[in-house]
Amino acid sequence: DIQMTQSPSSLSASVGDRVTITCRASQGISNSLAWYQQKSGKVPKLLIYAASTLQSGVPSRFSGSGSGTDFTLTISSLQPEDVATYYCQKYNSAPFTFGPGTKVDIK
Amino acid sequence: EVQLLESGGGLVQPGGSLRLSCTASGFTFSSYGLSWVRQAPGKGLEWVSAISAGGGATYYTDSVKGRFTISRDNSKSTVFLQMNSLRAEDTAVYSCAKVVGGGWPYYFDFWGQGTLVTVSS
Repeated sequence: DIQMTQSPSSLSASVGDRVTITCRASQGISNSLAWYQQKSGKVPKLLIYAASTLQSGVPSRFSGSGSGTDFTLTISSLQPEDVATYYCQKYNSAPFTFGPGTKVDIK
Repeated sequence: EVQLLESGGGLVQPGGSLRLSCTASGFTFSSYGLSWVRQAPGKGLEWVSAISAGGGATYYTDSVKGRFTISRDNSKSTVFLQMNSLRAEDTAVYSCAKVVGGGWPYYFDFWGQGTLVTVSS
């Protein structure tokens, strides 16, 4: 099965900083990748699908890129409400594996 | 408004069984795939199983194959997860998630709050 990794596992940044999270697949998955945000005690929220398509209602400071094995989620200007854990998920074929997550907080 | 309400969790001994249910509202249930995702306490998301809109396609993560069975009753807007031969490592909050379409691609746009399954003697 294809394994998903994320880096870093956690990061701390200042409000207004540009934040980049990387997700890597052990084999190519084309652009079949989604990103989710999970705030503490809340259900996950879909941010991005097809590697770079922003889900309706998601702020434009979030963006995604990549194809094949390497993907990034970028927050262009970190806001206090972005404190959360971020997960990538592959869906090219089963199993529809999630990455281990990246915890983002404010410095 | 889309709502997904899980039930059926609880405390079960290793080797035991549980049947989880997820009842949906706010969308045309029979037109969408559904999935179960679990999250162990303090851990990340783990995809468990998925089923297509009509129920003809089902998928499982390797660790539950042969032990868990996903099914759905479109007349009752409910998806089920039958869990047998439970192990301590199955302990988690189990949430159902709505797939964006009737089948592939299996990513998820709405989630339930989940039901806690604890496997312990």
